[in-house]
Amino acid sequence: GQQLNQSPQSMFIQEGEDVSMNCTSSSIFNTWLWYKQDPGEGPVLLIALYKAGELTSNGRLTAQFGITRKDSFLNISASIPSDVGIYFCAGVKTSYDKVIFGPGTSLSVIP
Amino acid sequence: SQTIHQWPATLVQPVGSPLSLECTVEGTSNPNLYWYRQAAGRGLQLLFYSVGIGQISSEVPQNLSASRPQDRQFILSSKKLLLSDSGFYLCAWSEVPAPFFGQGTRLTVV
Repeated sequence: GQQLNQSPQSMFIQEGEDVSMNCTSSSIFNTWLWYKQDPGEGPVLLIALYKAGELTSNGRLTAQFGITRKDSFLNISASIPSDVGIYFCAGVKTSYDKVIFGPGTSLSVIP
Repeated sequence: SQTIHQWPATLVQPVGSPLSLECTVEGTSNPNLYWYRQAAGRGLQLLFYSVGIGQISSEVPQNLSASRPQDRQFILSSKKLLLSDSGFYLCAWSEVPAPFFGQGTRLTVV
């Protein structure tokens, strides 16, 4: 079946550092989504991308829809302790298709 | 605005007991509804999704079932829980591609 890969699987960074993570697939997607899950909570949508090459920001977060349509990237600038959590990417082919989630990147921020 | 309610937040049930988790959505009509399960430290596994009342699709064979008796109500059930049913259960809704999740139910089967 369709699969998404996320890297890195986990990250330990110092507060104030920038973070980069990515999501790749062997399939083409028309929508890319990025979610953050705090411990014990449901995932929250951070950014949605609908067009190849699109670059979208949400505060300190910036995500890009890869030109090949097979990948997406999320950057977090100047990390803070509340950035801790699991970041999931998700891909959608059409509005009628199921959303495919990646396995997640676990982020830990050291104060 | 749309809101999603999922309860209970935590549940401890003995093996062999029945299960009923309820999810309701407000502020939208005819949403797509989903049940996901998340094992500890793992990704999201889609269990069921529904595009309308009475329409349920199952993604994986399992000990669970789902029902959608009303447009904005989605129920996850089991007749007899197994230890392997433990996990974090998430309900979600969507009108557009992006699902929006509830707060989740932590189920521990003992």
